Amino acid sequence: DAKTTQPNSMESNEEEPVHLPCNHSTISGTDYIHWYRQLPSQGPEYVIHGLTSNVNNRMASLAIAEDRKSSTLILHRATLRDAAVYYCILRGYQGAQKLVFGQGTRLTINP
Amino acid sequence: NAGVTQTPKFRVLKTGQSMTLLCAQDMNHEYMYWYRQDPGMGLRLIHYSVGEGTTAKGEVPDGYNVSRLKKQNFLLGLESAAPSQTSVYFCASRATGGTQPQHFGDGTRLSIL
Repeated sequence: DAKTTQPNSMESNEEEPVHLPCNHSTISGTDYIHWYRQLPSQGPEYVIHGLTSNVNNRMASLAIAEDRKSSTLILHRATLRDAAVYYCILRGYQGAQKLVFGQGTRLTINP
Repeated sequence: NAGVTQTPKFRVLKTGQSMTLLCAQDMNHEYMYWYRQDPGMGLRLIHYSVGEGTTAKGEVPDGYNVSRLKKQNFLLGLESAAPSQTSVYFCASRATGGTQPQHFGDGTRLSIL
């Protein structure tokens, strides 16, 4: 499985945008980029995914570099509830599509 | 709107005891997964199932068994619990097709003394 690299931790202020980076230099052409987050004492929850084009949903935006070797999860206006560990995961399209979790980025939001 | 339900939520076992963790999903999903999460770590896949009656090994299967007799249920068994199996266990399910996301339960906290 291709590996992703994320900063261990980041800090931001409430109501400000947050940009969470992820490097995946060995990504294959069929790998989708998925983001999950895990709030304290909860299971992970799906945030967003993309292949080549930038993606937006109600939770966040995903910006994918043209060479696909990196991506950025964007929270447009962080709230205290966005404090969580964010995981960037590469996942193929076929088969069981298992998720391989790294250590993720622990995001702290200051009031 | 239950989604993925795990029982029990907490359990303390003694070394050598056995137990079964139950995962139930009400979304008619084909795929189900069992993960464990140790402190400060990401989740690691134990076993998974691609449909009723099927199971397959994940990254860390030793010491665990699973069964998927009904589509909605995925059971994780510990035959002879060891302190190294102290962890938080998460179950997830996923629909077929495309890049459907995995939906996770809230976890079972298991301590082996």
